[in-house]
Amino acid sequence: IAGITQAPTSQILAAGRRMTLRCTQDMRHNAMYWYRQDLGLGLRLIHYSNTAGTTGKGEVPDGYSVSRANTDDFPLTLASAVPSQTSVYFCASSDGGIIYTFGSGTRLTVV
Amino acid sequence: GENVEQHPSTLSVQEGDSAVIKCTYSDSASNYFPWYKQELGKRPQLIIDIRSNVGEKKDQRIAVTLNKTAKHFSLHITETQPEDSAVYFCAASNSDSGYSTLTFGKGTMLLVSP
Repeated sequence: IAGITQAPTSQILAAGRRMTLRCTQDMRHNAMYWYRQDLGLGLRLIHYSNTAGTTGKGEVPDGYSVSRANTDDFPLTLASAVPSQTSVYFCASSDGGIIYTFGSGTRLTVV
Repeated sequence: GENVEQHPSTLSVQEGDSAVIKCTYSDSASNYFPWYKQELGKRPQLIIDIRSNVGEKKDQRIAVTLNKTAKHFSLHITETQPEDSAVYFCAASNSDSGYSTLTFGKGTMLLVSP
């Protein structure tokens, strides 16, 4: 079934640890995105990638890094997690930057 | 950059009533305005969108209106049903710039009571 797969579904992480959230799509979409969702703050863009090999910063990029080695994968890395990074993380992709398809999300708790 | 304001943050209606959610945007270059519905514990899903070359678009019980001069757009849901209960997000982007990112409003929690 075509779509976006995120892993893990949920994770409890000790502060200071490194963590990579995985995102894979099989729709051959050029653009991919990472958003975080916090109650009362909506969906805020962390990083994006318009095509393989390129990335850009969104509204809240600090503490996060991404890479786009190929079309299908767009991992998000927290180098040293802090409690304020507790959130639900959604990966999304689009073909042409318009209609987004979202993954099912990763619920991350940093303690 | 773009800033999208969404109101109200919560909205309670009785089944069968209409619901209206309003958004304003700041960037006059924005020309694409989608609405996403997110049920509890699920991913956001596109329910309707509108581009700047039209003022209104309908899809069954859902409609979206756009006023480019005032830079605001609204979601209208008629004959609401309990299954309409969810969080709704508006968003805006400039689709003419090739690849562009969506800026989302903070969301409206809609509760439809039977």
